Amino acid sequence: DAGITQSPRHKVTETGTPVTLRCHQTENHRYMYWYRQDPGHGLRLIHYSYGVKDTDKGEVSDGYSVSRSKTEDFLLTLESATSSQTSVYFCAISESGRGHNEQFFGPGTRLTVL
Amino acid sequence: GENVEQHPSTLSVQEGDSAVIKCTYSDSASNYFPWYKQELGKRPQLIIDIRSNVGEKKDQRIAVTLNKTAKHFSLHITETQPEDSAVYFCAASNRGSYIPTFGRGTSLIVHP
Repeated sequence: DAGITQSPRHKVTETGTPVTLRCHQTENHRYMYWYRQDPGHGLRLIHYSYGVKDTDKGEVSDGYSVSRSKTEDFLLTLESATSSQTSVYFCAISESGRGHNEQFFGPGTRLTVL
Repeated sequence: GENVEQHPSTLSVQEGDSAVIKCTYSDSASNYFPWYKQELGKRPQLIIDIRSNVGEKKDQRIAVTLNKTAKHFSLHITETQPEDSAVYFCAASNRGSYIPTFGRGTSLIVHP
């Protein structure tokens, strides 16, 4: 597996609380992504980053924010968690400049919002 | 933007049979088509990919075919084994965008 980790791996929280998920890579890849995975919906992009301090929204960004202050770290924040944000969250990375866009995924974080 | 449709959503086969999963895409600029396999409780991992300058690619028991005119590509698994049971995702992207669009996934079940 590529050097990509996520923390925490599991989290249970209550509605209305803030939650931050961390993705850490040791591959020095430029691109980082946050996806959520729900049954019947596959992988849906939340936000992505194309460099330090450079981020953009994906298709399901409402209720989420991200930050990337270092190449190796990409943080996903739920400002006020809701039950609809119960999901498995995957971080992914990809290298730039090689003409193809293979992604390497982290192990995932299972988030439950009660 | 790109739209990727994947079928079927569930595929059940007997061990030793072949399995075919099909995807269609909408953006003619897409030129990279990866397939990911996700075993239960694990992360998605790339198993094979194809670029738009080739029509077919094989790797042992798996192959991918691409029809650019019809905008569809398929994953073929021959001589299926129980360990092939997993969810398979197709995706499409182009050189100008590092944001792949994923299909919704196919759950492949191989019965011993």
